[in-house]
Amino acid sequence: AQTVTQSQPEMSVQEAETVTLSCTYDTSESDYYLFWYKQPPSRQMILVIRQEAYKQQNATENRFSVNFQKAAKSFSLKISDSQLGDAAMYFCASTSSGAGSYQLTFGKGTKLSVIP
Amino acid sequence: GAVVSQHPSRVICKSGTSVKIECRSLDFQATTMFWYRQFPKQSLMLMATSNEGSKATYEQGVEKDKFLINHASLTLSTLTVTSAHPEDSSFYICSASLLGGRASEQFFGPGTRLTVL
Repeated sequence: AQTVTQSQPEMSVQEAETVTLSCTYDTSESDYYLFWYKQPPSRQMILVIRQEAYKQQNATENRFSVNFQKAAKSFSLKISDSQLGDAAMYFCASTSSGAGSYQLTFGKGTKLSVIP
Repeated sequence: GAVVSQHPSRVICKSGTSVKIECRSLDFQATTMFWYRQFPKQSLMLMATSNEGSKATYEQGVEKDKFLINHASLTLSTLTVTSAHPEDSSFYICSASLLGGRASEQFFGPGTRLTVL
């Protein structure tokens, strides 16, 4: 079984500043993927960034980047130049290949507020 | 591309009735569809995984006779909440994996808010 832990229920950041959201995970699998999803008030889940565990290079998507520390099982998300539209719930997730399909296990989420 | 729709977006029903929620992949074929439940201010909890033409695999603690899942085609899965009760009120989200795509990638529908009176 996989577990994903987000220890920050809420975070806030000043507009244009940088914020880092923490995530740790536990898995016994060698083949897995890690994700950060954003859920705005509309509740539509939006993929922010994805990391393949076998890749050492940290994934980046424009203002979003991750710090993937495989040995420490840590997967933090850094948001640079924060914008008002970044305000949302952020969920860290990992996959497991249960039932022959890649099932997602989510953390409890971090609510990010952006202060103008 | 990779759009998933859900219908209805909101439904209110009386206790004891059954409610069907549809999940469609609009522009791709889905090998697998997933159903999640999300309570207010909480995370997504996986309810079941379904593959086209097969019986769904339910997570521990999810009543398969209460939450009926049918995955009749590569673009449609339905979740029927049978004999709904107020405690079934929640936000239900489906997702789909792209046939031939990266198996680990899921595309999410916009969700359905169910209120049982």
